[in-house]
Amino acid sequence: QVQLVQSGGEVKKPGASVKVSCKASGYTFKTYGMSWVRQAPGQGLEWMGWISAYNAKTNYAQKFQDRVTMTIDTSTSTAFMELRSLRSEDTAVYFCARADNFWSRHIFFDYWGQGTLVTVAS
Amino acid sequence: QSVLTQPPSVSGAPGQRVTISCTGSSSNIGAGSDVQWYQQLPGTAPKLLIYGNFNRPSGVPDRFSGSKSGTSASLAITGLQAEDEADYYCQSYDSSLSGLYVFGTGTKVTVL
Repeated sequence: QVQLVQSGGEVKKPGASVKVSCKASGYTFKTYGMSWVRQAPGQGLEWMGWISAYNAKTNYAQKFQDRVTMTIDTSTSTAFMELRSLRSEDTAVYFCARADNFWSRHIFFDYWGQGTLVTVAS
Repeated sequence: QSVLTQPPSVSGAPGQRVTISCTGSSSNIGAGSDVQWYQQLPGTAPKLLIYGNFNRPSGVPDRFSGSKSGTSASLAITGLQAEDEADYYCQSYDSSLSGLYVFGTGTKVTVL
């Protein structure tokens, strides 16, 4: 069965960086892409970006374009999301979600990780 | 704020039918982009309920159905059950500068 297991919660100071991992199992990693979605406390879902596991091509939401980097390690079937220059508004649960491997206007997210709480506080 | 607008809450008694609307624009739903729906139970990750406007993944009960018309989409839940109490989000692609993939504002379904 498909599983996405994310790394544990993090506490960071403003201005720092955080790197969240998402280890996939139960399917051939290189045949699907991965998106990252975040949810601030009591708020809705916010799409951050997408990476193809086939060729590592990325597309980021404009809001995060300058601060986020998404990468993959096919040898360990793991996707990573790094967010830099953290501020208090970045406090949220960060989810990885399996997506299509090729960019289109019809991508959806069929399996999700359990979420990683990132807390930004001084 | 999101470019896809949903009612903040809907409620219904067990067994009833409820619908959740997702209102977009000509840059997303109206441009032919598919609409997906996700269910999020308290404290858990979202779960895909509907993809491609009206398709259900394996294992999703046929009590859940999706539709799309013009710049809007809807999720209907028939035979409402206590376990359906959750937050529901629509999702689509937006070609404007606001972002690429977008989620709706979310709707809390309460079973009375």
